[in-house]
Amino acid sequence: AQSVTQLGSHVSVSEGALVLLRCNYSSSVPPYLFWYVQYPNQGLQLLLKYTTGATLVKGINGFEAEFKKSETSFHLTKPSAHMSDAAEYFCAVSDDSNYKLTFGKGTLLTVNP
Amino acid sequence: DADVTQTPRNRITKTGKRIMLECSQTKGHDRMYWYRQDPGLGLRLIYYSFDVKDINKGEISDGYSVSRQAQAKFSLSLESAIPNQTALYFCATSEGAHTEAFFGQGTRLTVV
Repeated sequence: AQSVTQLGSHVSVSEGALVLLRCNYSSSVPPYLFWYVQYPNQGLQLLLKYTTGATLVKGINGFEAEFKKSETSFHLTKPSAHMSDAAEYFCAVSDDSNYKLTFGKGTLLTVNP
Repeated sequence: DADVTQTPRNRITKTGKRIMLECSQTKGHDRMYWYRQDPGLGLRLIYYSFDVKDINKGEISDGYSVSRQAQAKFSLSLESAIPNQTALYFCATSEGAHTEAFFGQGTRLTVV
C-alpha cells in the first residue's frame, strides 16, 4: 500500500528565507507525486506534480520539488519565502496499483516578518 | 462560478440526525471523491466513484454512504451523525488516474 510521510507538522521561516517542506513516500510501483496548498478557509489547489520525465518539477508561486527515487523523497522548496506563502501544504501520491490520491498529514507553514 | 461546489458550507447538527452533504461539478470529470479533513490527520478518503455506476469505499467509510446521482453530482450522507464525525469535508473531482484533483471549498460539519 502506498503512504506519505511529511516530516514536521509545523515549519516556521522568516520572510525571505528558504522554504523546505519534506515529503517521503512509499509505493510498490513508480509513483505519481503531488503537492497541494490549502489557504485558510479554502479548498486545496495543486502546486505542482511529478508524473514522468524530469525529476525537478516547477510549480506555481515559485515553488519547486525534486523527485529522488533512491531516497523515496519529493521535498518542496522555495528560495525566498513571502508572507503570502503562509498556508498548509500537503504531499500526495498515487500509483498504478491504487488509482487514488493518498495524502500526508500536512505541514503548516508560518512566515514571520 | 466554482468548478466544484459544495453545499452547505457550514452545518451544525445533533447526534442521531441524518444529514446529506452535496457536491456538484462543472468540470465534466467522471471521477469524484469525498474526503474528510481533521487537524493533524490530513485528508482521508471516505468514498470514491469512477463513474455513475462505480462507487467504492475508501479508508474510512463506516458511518457514511454516498449517492452518485449523475456524472456531475455526488452526495455524502451521514445516516446517524455522531460527534466524532465533526470535521471538514471536501469533495473533489479528477479527469483520470494520476491527474490533478480539483477540490470544492469544503463543508464544515459540527455534530453536537
